[in-house]
Amino acid sequence: DAGVTQSPTHLIKTRGQHVTLRCSPISGHKSVSWYQQVLGQGPQFIFQYYEKEERGRGNFPDRFSARQFPNYSSELNVNALLLGDSALYLCASSFSGYEQYFGPGTRLTVT
Amino acid sequence: GENVEQHPSTLSVQEGDSAVIKCTYSDSASNYFPWYKQELGKRPQLIIDIRSNVGEKKDQRIAVTLNKTAKHFSLHITETQPEDSAVYFCAARRGSTLGRLYFGRGTQLTVWP
Repeated sequence: DAGVTQSPTHLIKTRGQHVTLRCSPISGHKSVSWYQQVLGQGPQFIFQYYEKEERGRGNFPDRFSARQFPNYSSELNVNALLLGDSALYLCASSFSGYEQYFGPGTRLTVT
Repeated sequence: GENVEQHPSTLSVQEGDSAVIKCTYSDSASNYFPWYKQELGKRPQLIIDIRSNVGEKKDQRIAVTLNKTAKHFSLHITETQPEDSAVYFCAARRGSTLGRLYFGRGTQLTVWP
């Protein structure tokens, strides 16, 4: 059984550009959450989607947006990139809302 | 919102010793407390969790205890091994917030052979 997958693995962007990160949850999981992890800190919640609806949003600016597709995969979009957006972006899927399983993450570097 | 504090930030132990990491939370509505292990360059891995209706849970060398009154929970690792070396994160989830986890800042555990 495949775990949570994310693409791309690494990404280098320039300030002001836009980025799209992708996540495929574990088969059967309908909930996807996105987290940002800055080096040396714990993951910070960005969004949660369940059954294609947004169920929660963290304290991030409107430059961050996300959506979930009918097959429960999800995209995280970040517009007008800033240097401070450089981080590891993690996707987590869940079946029940309790146990969350993380993907390998996308390492975003903004120069 | 919820605030999770984790201590210590670094912990060094000799192989075979026990390690304890402690977390406190602020919101009495929190009802689910997972622990994640993150090795360098890898994804956080769920290693054990506890729900608020339970005081203690064990899985081989790992145990978690929860004190709802004091709003703190702890991870206990016995008979530590070098492969236990990693960053450990505690987290809390408030009652009805489905997937939103509030994480501590992490503990770097180093086990010396």
